[in-house]
Amino acid sequence: NAGVTQTPKFRILKIGQSMTLQCTQDMNHNYMYWYRQDPGMGLKLIYYSVGAGITDKGEVPNGYNVSRSTTEDFPLRLELAAPSQTSVYFCASSYPGRNTQYFGPGTRLTVL
Amino acid sequence: DAKTTQPNSMESNEEEPVHLPCNHSTISGTDYIHWYRQLPSQGPEYVIHGLTSNVNNRMASLAIAEDRKSSTLILHRATLRDAAVYYCIPAAPASGGSNYKLTFGKGTLLTVNP
Repeated sequence: NAGVTQTPKFRILKIGQSMTLQCTQDMNHNYMYWYRQDPGMGLKLIYYSVGAGITDKGEVPNGYNVSRSTTEDFPLRLELAAPSQTSVYFCASSYPGRNTQYFGPGTRLTVL
Repeated sequence: DAKTTQPNSMESNEEEPVHLPCNHSTISGTDYIHWYRQLPSQGPEYVIHGLTSNVNNRMASLAIAEDRKSSTLILHRATLRDAAVYYCIPAAPASGGSNYKLTFGKGTLLTVNP
C-alpha cells in the first residue's frame, strides 16, 4: 500500500492564483481530513469528510473548498491565493471509529 | 476540547529512557488520550492511545494517571530516529459513524543526543 499520497510536494503561487492540492489514499478509509501547519505551530483542521459526497468544515475553512466524489480522493481547492495561506498542508485518512489517522507527506505552499 | 499542557522541549541521550509529560486537567470522561509524533519534514505519525489503563505497544508505553488529568509517554530506549515533536491529544471516541477530530497543539520537541 502507498498509504496517503499528496501532490505536489512544493508549489509557489502568486496572489490571486488558484490551485488544487491532490490527496489520494489506497486504504479504503471512509474518513479523510485536510490540515494546515504554519511554522512552529500545531496542525489546524481545514475540512474533513466522512465519506464520498459528504464534507464538513473544520477550524479554519475560509479560503478553501473541498469535494469528495470517490472514497480514494479528497482534493483541496484554493480559489484566490493569499499570503496568509502560505503553509504546509497535510492530508490524512482513517477508518470510522478508529483512533489512528494516517498522514501524507505534505505539500509546502508559498504565496507571494 | 480538553486543554493540554506539554513542555516546549526536552532533551535525552541515545539509549536512555524518555518520559514525556502531558497535563490535560479538563479532559472529559470519554476522551481517549492520543499521542502522535512528527519527524522533521514529515506528516504526523500515530504513536499510542489509551483511556484509563496503561498501554504498551512496539513504539512506546503510555502511563495514565488515576484521575486522568495527566499522562506520560515513555520511550524505553531513545534512538536518534525518535527526535521529533510529540503531541498529546485528548479526543472523544467516534460513535455511530461520526468522525474523529484531533486538535494538535504545539507539542514537545524532543532532541536526542548521540
